[in-house]
Amino acid sequence: NAGVTQTPKFQVLKTGQSMTLQCAQDMNHEYMSWYRQDPGMGLRLIHYSVGAGITDQGEVPNGYNVSRSTTEDFPLRLLSAAPSQTSVYFCASSPTYRGSGGANEQFFGPGTRLTVL
Amino acid sequence: LAKTTQPISMDSYEGQEVNITCSHNNIATNDYITWYQQFPSQGPRFIIQGYKTKVTNEVASLFIPADRKSSTLSLPRVSLSDTAVYYCLVGAAKAAGNKLTFGGGTRVLVKP
Repeated sequence: NAGVTQTPKFQVLKTGQSMTLQCAQDMNHEYMSWYRQDPGMGLRLIHYSVGAGITDQGEVPNGYNVSRSTTEDFPLRLLSAAPSQTSVYFCASSPTYRGSGGANEQFFGPGTRLTVL
Repeated sequence: LAKTTQPISMDSYEGQEVNITCSHNNIATNDYITWYQQFPSQGPRFIIQGYKTKVTNEVASLFIPADRKSSTLSLPRVSLSDTAVYYCLVGAAKAAGNKLTFGGGTRVLVKP
């Protein structure tokens, strides 16, 4: 299993440009999410999906769109890049828990380092 | 999700035991305590999860007192490769919808 893969690893954009960060997982996980991590900070949830065709907003969704047409893929789109979106972006996946207990272990990708000039 | 408080940073030396305490005074009955580890330039990695008393795996131990208002992650005999940021998270699968809320974490530096 490749686990969670993200492309590209690095990207530089100019203000106003748009782009899509790709995320894929081969573990048949239902739950996928996108986080951003600013320097020296913890991760903040942008968007998440509990299954194909279902997405919802996280803590910091503005400026980002997502879609989930398949179980495997969960792309993140930046509509009009701004310098405030300079960050490292992590995609994660986990099985959806159907019982009680703690949050399922999430598996993170290697991240995409984005710089917006 | 319950708010957590943990030290910003800790220094240690190779071979020592490192204990990181996390406060979560408002933990709910259904909440579990989960710890993640993040190395530089990598995504976080699940370490351990527990509800009460003690949980141990091949990487760490997690101690949770009876009132569950705090927890302690214990890393035995650390090596240089244990230098990382450690995050304490509190929540329950159902209530949180499996979402995670990361605080600032504890930056652990292991010195030779």
